[in-house]
Amino acid sequence: GESVGLHLPTLSVQEGDNSIINCAYSNSASDYFIWYKQESGKGPQFIIDIRSNMDKRQGQRVTVLLNKTVKHLSLQIAATQPGDSAVYFCAEITMDSSYKLIFGSGTRLLVRP
Amino acid sequence: GAVVSQHPSWVICKSGTSVKIECRSLDFQATTMFWYRQFPKQSLMLMATSNEGSKATYEQGVEKDKFLINHASLTLSTLTVTSAHPEDSSFYICSAINTGELFFGEGSRLTVL
Repeated sequence: GESVGLHLPTLSVQEGDNSIINCAYSNSASDYFIWYKQESGKGPQFIIDIRSNMDKRQGQRVTVLLNKTVKHLSLQIAATQPGDSAVYFCAEITMDSSYKLIFGSGTRLLVRP
Repeated sequence: GAVVSQHPSWVICKSGTSVKIECRSLDFQATTMFWYRQFPKQSLMLMATSNEGSKATYEQGVEKDKFLINHASLTLSTLTVTSAHPEDSSFYICSAINTGELFFGEGSRLTVL
């Protein structure tokens, strides 16, 4: 299990720059992937999702890339804003597991003004 | 979007007491809800799947007698932390499925003194 006091990796970016947050997922059978944003003391907030039959999906200012060969997901945020500062988690679902999400370890994004 | 509400948002209790946390789907019915635990600076860990009208399904390593889950109705699941100890202090988050999407509550922070 996780060790007590584990620190989240931190990505620090200048306001206006693009951010890339990476995630390695664990199950090659996972069908569906979601990126969540979590602000301090709050529950996760949905950002964008992607199914395993796609390798790229774009939203408003965000793009998710999926590389199934190496079990890797990335979240790209364009023109990062101070309001984007939060912890970002990827999550994977295997469709036969009834929406049981398995979360990645998370990355803290800090946006410098 | 759909709303999932948790109560209480914050709770402080003495060691050895039991604490109940409620998760409600406010504008939809949820036959399945999920309970997560999140320690500081760590990711969300799935504890159990709460099923309306039947027993909860617990993840490996989660004590079912310690964390009692009751899915009393299609809009309410409760998590009771029995005989709480300081190591149970954590952020507890629930989620529910509505029309194929997962919605998260805002979380309940438990501090056991």
